[in-house]
Amino acid sequence: AQKVTQAQTEISVVEKEDVTLDCVYETRDTTYYLFWYKQPPSGELVFLIRRNSFDEQNEISGRYSWNFQKSTSSFNFTITASQVVDSAVYFCALSGPSFGNEKLTFGTGTRLTIIP
Amino acid sequence: EAQVTQNPRYLITVTGKKLTVTCSQNMNHEYMSWYRQDPGLGLRQIYYSMNVEVTDKGDVPEGYKVSRKEKRNFPLILESPSPNQTSLYFCASSLKRLGRPKGETQYFGPGTRLLVL
Repeated sequence: AQKVTQAQTEISVVEKEDVTLDCVYETRDTTYYLFWYKQPPSGELVFLIRRNSFDEQNEISGRYSWNFQKSTSSFNFTITASQVVDSAVYFCALSGPSFGNEKLTFGTGTRLTIIP
Repeated sequence: EAQVTQNPRYLITVTGKKLTVTCSQNMNHEYMSWYRQDPGLGLRQIYYSMNVEVTDKGDVPEGYKVSRKEKRNFPLILESPSPNQTSLYFCASSLKRLGRPKGETQYFGPGTRLLVL
C-alpha cells in the first residue's frame, strides 16, 4: 500500500517570507511518481509538478522549487518570497508505475495562508 | 477550449435515490479518474480508467460505479446514495496514464458538491 503524509495541517507566514511544505511518502514500488497540486480558495485543483522517482534532480520554477530526496522519502515544496496569491491548500500525491499500480494517493493537504 | 466538465455542480438528494454525476473531457485523453474530497481526509481516488472499457478501483470504490463507453465520458454512478457519500467530487483527465516516464499534466473538473440527506 502507498501512503502520503503531509504533517503540516496549516501554515501561516508573512508575505515575502519563504515557506516549505513537507511531504513524506511510503511505497513498495521501485518506480513511482510524485505530484504537487494547488487548490486556491476558489476551489479548483491545479497541477503544479510531476517528479519521477529515478530523477532526483531538484526543480525550480520561478518562486517555486521542489526538493526530492529518495533517502528520506520526501518531496518538499518551497515557495520563495511568498505572495498573497500563494494562499491555498497544497496537496502532495503519489502514483505507482504503469501496468500494476495506477492509483493516485493524496496526502491530506497543507493549508497555507500568506499574511499581507 | 480544453476542459473537463462536470454536471451537476451542486446536488441535494435523499438516501437511496440513484444518481449519476457526469464527467466529460474534450482533449481526447485516455486517463480519467474520480476523486472525493472530505475535510481532514484530503482527496481520495474512487475509480480510474486507463482507456475505453478499462476501469479499476481506487482507494474508496465502495458504493460507487463507473463506466467508460466513450473516450470523452466517465460518469460516476451512485446506485443507492448514503449520507456518508456527502462530499465534494472531482473528475480529472490526462492524455496518458500517470505512471509513465514522460510527464502528464492532469486536468481537473470544477467539482460537484453532493449532499445526501
